[in-house]
Amino acid sequence: KQEVTQIPAALSVPEGENLVLNCSFTDSAIYNLQWFRQDPGKGLTSLLLIQSSQREQTSGRLNASLDKSSGRSTLYIAASQPGDSATYLCAVKGPRSNSGYALNFGKGTSLLVTP
Amino acid sequence: DGGITQSPKYLFRKEGQNVTLSCEQNLNHDAMYWYRQDPGQGLRLIYYSQIVNDFQKGDIAEGYSVSREKKESFPLTVTSAQKNPTAFYLCASSTQLAGAYEQYFGPGTRLTVT
Repeated sequence: KQEVTQIPAALSVPEGENLVLNCSFTDSAIYNLQWFRQDPGKGLTSLLLIQSSQREQTSGRLNASLDKSSGRSTLYIAASQPGDSATYLCAVKGPRSNSGYALNFGKGTSLLVTP
Repeated sequence: DGGITQSPKYLFRKEGQNVTLSCEQNLNHDAMYWYRQDPGQGLRLIYYSQIVNDFQKGDIAEGYSVSREKKESFPLTVTSAQKNPTAFYLCASSTQLAGAYEQYFGPGTRLTVT
């Protein structure tokens, strides 16, 4: 069964710092990897989607990389702002399992950016 | 605005009662999903559907039931057989089940059973 791990579980940084969130997965036979943001009590907002054939994706101050062979992805946030405070979730699709093609989620990294 | 709506946002029920959570999408997606989120745990898949009138059990389907009579709707019923129903429930959809399609999520329903 695909296992997804996110490190660190929690992170506190001062405003303006660049930071890296890590995600690892045990089975490299994935279709894609998604990074999500979740604010307290809210649903998930998709930040970036990386297809299995891609190495990275960028959106504004966010950059996500994927190394499928080593089972790792990183989410890089440049020039962090207090509004970036949220929980960041990594999820991989695949390989196909008894649950079809559903996403396998990590437990998330809780980020606090202080002014 | 295209998206996924879930209602209600908060739901309170007494133990032993069945309750139905609503999920509607206007993204014209074929595939829909229900996940459960508990504090300190990752999201876990309850049920998924790849097309109208078809649905499959996920990892934690016991005590839950679903229907998919219309493409845009995928309601989830939490039955009295579900031992720990208090949780945050999230509905999602994607263009198709197979393939590398992005999943989109609704705002969630927080269910509290006492």
